[in-house]
Amino acid sequence: GESVGLHLPTLSVQEGDNSIINCAYSNSASDYFIWYKQESGKGPQFIIDIRSNMDKRQGQRVTVLLNKTVKHLSLQIAATQPGDSAVYFCAENYGGATNKLIFGTGTLLAVQP
Amino acid sequence: ETGVTQSPTHLIKTRGQQVTLRCSSQSGHNTVSWYQQALGQGPQFIFQYYREEENGRGNFPPRFSGLQFPNYSSELNVNALELDDSALYLCASKDLAGGDTQYFGPGTRLTVL
Repeated sequence: GESVGLHLPTLSVQEGDNSIINCAYSNSASDYFIWYKQESGKGPQFIIDIRSNMDKRQGQRVTVLLNKTVKHLSLQIAATQPGDSAVYFCAENYGGATNKLIFGTGTLLAVQP
Repeated sequence: ETGVTQSPTHLIKTRGQQVTLRCSSQSGHNTVSWYQQALGQGPQFIFQYYREEENGRGNFPPRFSGLQFPNYSSELNVNALELDDSALYLCASKDLAGGDTQYFGPGTRLTVL
């Protein structure tokens, strides 16, 4: 079926540590994946994306890894800061005529000072 | 800021009523999607509009309908409101020719009593 799930609903880290948020997706035909950050009372904010022809992509303090063999996606945040505290969603893009995003339930990242 | 705006920010309705939510897309974005996000869940795709035509629909009943206008603003209409329609409603816009990234607005919080 259509599903993008997360392994850990809550992740608590110390400020300055690296964070890793994991995600499993179910549709092997999906060709585009996105990580969004959602703070309380706000809409999802784009963080980073990756296409299925890549296995790694880096941004500013963030890295996304894609393992198509096991249909797994991860978001790595370096030197986690209190401002990184939020719910993180991975989303899978079905593509085709409709770029429908399938979201998981999210992981709450709590950064301890 | 994504440039996507939504109104109103909050809304309270009673069961059986009708509601209209509005979205103003980012300049130049000709595709808009609507999502429903229940508390503690990831957003669920409702439908997408491109050039004023519905371009894909998720698993939502016909009482969820939409419009897209020539200036790329859009509306989500929900008839015969049910208690389970209480959620955050998000719109997301993108430029079909500019890539797959969808940018979200802040959402409208709908409460059905």
